[in-house]
This record gives sequence, C-alpha cells and structure tokens, in this order.
Amino acid sequence: SQQGEEDPQALSIQEGENATMNCSYKTSINNLQWYRQNSGRGLVHLILIRSNEREKHSGRLRVTLDTSKKSSSLLITASRAADTASYFCATDANTGNQFYFGTGTSLTVIP
Amino acid sequence: NAGVTQTPKFQVLKTGQSMTLQCAQDMNHNSMYWYRQDPGMGLRLIYYSASEGTTDKGEVPNGYNVSRLNKREFSLRLESAAPSQTSVYFCASILGGGWAQHFGDGTRLSIL
Repeated sequence: SQQGEEDPQALSIQEGENATMNCSYKTSINNLQWYRQNSGRGLVHLILIRSNEREKHSGRLRVTLDTSKKSSSLLITASRAADTASYFCATDANTGNQFYFGTGTSLTVIP
Repeated sequence: NAGVTQTPKFQVLKTGQSMTLQCAQDMNHNSMYWYRQDPGMGLRLIYYSASEGTTDKGEVPNGYNVSRLNKREFSLRLESAAPSQTSVYFCASILGGGWAQHFGDGTRLSIL
C-alpha cells in the first residue's frame, strides 16, 4: 500500500540526452520530494515541491506537480554518466511527519 | 560533520537471535525514521520519532521495537529475528515538516 509509484521502472539513455521519470500517488499531500540513490548508498535529497507549486528547477533538474492528477515528473537534462542511479519520489500524505516512497526508477546513462 | 551514522554496516544473524541497529545524527534534527528497503518494494517506514520522547508505528512495525534514546540517537531492535526481516535498513532524520530527509548509508542485515 505504498503511496507513490514511479514509471518507468528502468530507463537507459545515452549521455547528453534528457531523462524523464514519473511518479503517481494516492492521497493529498503537503509536499513531494525526489531522491537519488547510488548503488550501495543511502538516499540523497534532490528537490522538494510543495502542493501549491506547479514547477520547480534546480540546476539540470526540473520537477512538475499536478495535484489534480496526483502525479509528478522529474526531468534531468543533458544527462551524464554520473547520473546513473535509482530515483525515488516521496510524499507526506498530508501527515507532515510520515513519508511514503515509491518503488523507484533505475536510470542508466551510457557514456 | 558526519550527518547520519548507522552501525553496523553489515550483520548476519541466525533465526531467533536479537540485535539492535544504532543510528545517530549530528544535525540537531527533531524527527528520526527507520525504513527497510527490499528489492522492488522501495522504502517502507517501520517506526518514526517525531520528536525526542515520542515514537510511532509506520507501515511495517511488526517484529520491531525502537527507542529514541535522546535527540541524537534512535535505535531499532529485532527481538527474535526472522528470515523475512532480511533487508537493508536505513535511518533518516529531518529538521521538521517540509524539509528534506537525510539518510545514513544503511545496514545490510541477513537472517539465516
């Protein structure tokens, strides 16, 4: 009964291409966050978008949020081999202090 | 500035044994969390502590207990380990609602 689901499960692209991954969730939220996980490591926070925001940028990252569709997307532009990792969305399901993670998208960037 | 530190990094147990996973953060964060990560399942919340002195169940609390020892430390205990508890366990902390979670590097636990 996880809150979020990412799509696609796996994505393989060439270096320099853009990567887009999507997240759908089930209940209303205060905010949605995206995290990156390199193999064998913990998760690293990338970006947070609040429920009253529709788009947010951070460097090569662009996140959109559509609360009417309960979905979010993460775009990584001009991808690099170092972007190879798993990416997870997390929502707070309006609790403020509990977080629900999706199953993740595994991104491979081929040099 | 270590962030979130988890010990041990690896552990192998036999069914029925007990152990405590340790977590400490040095960022003066108020809330702390324990998750487990299984292949294809993402992260699932086991227990959390919204503030010092409080603990609450998450999505999958059965078979676990926690202690918020002080503001810095939050431990997870398996009283009688079962093979179904083989997983990677992550501790995280957060300043408060609307902030990013900071994760440790995980404890890889195998139960035979």
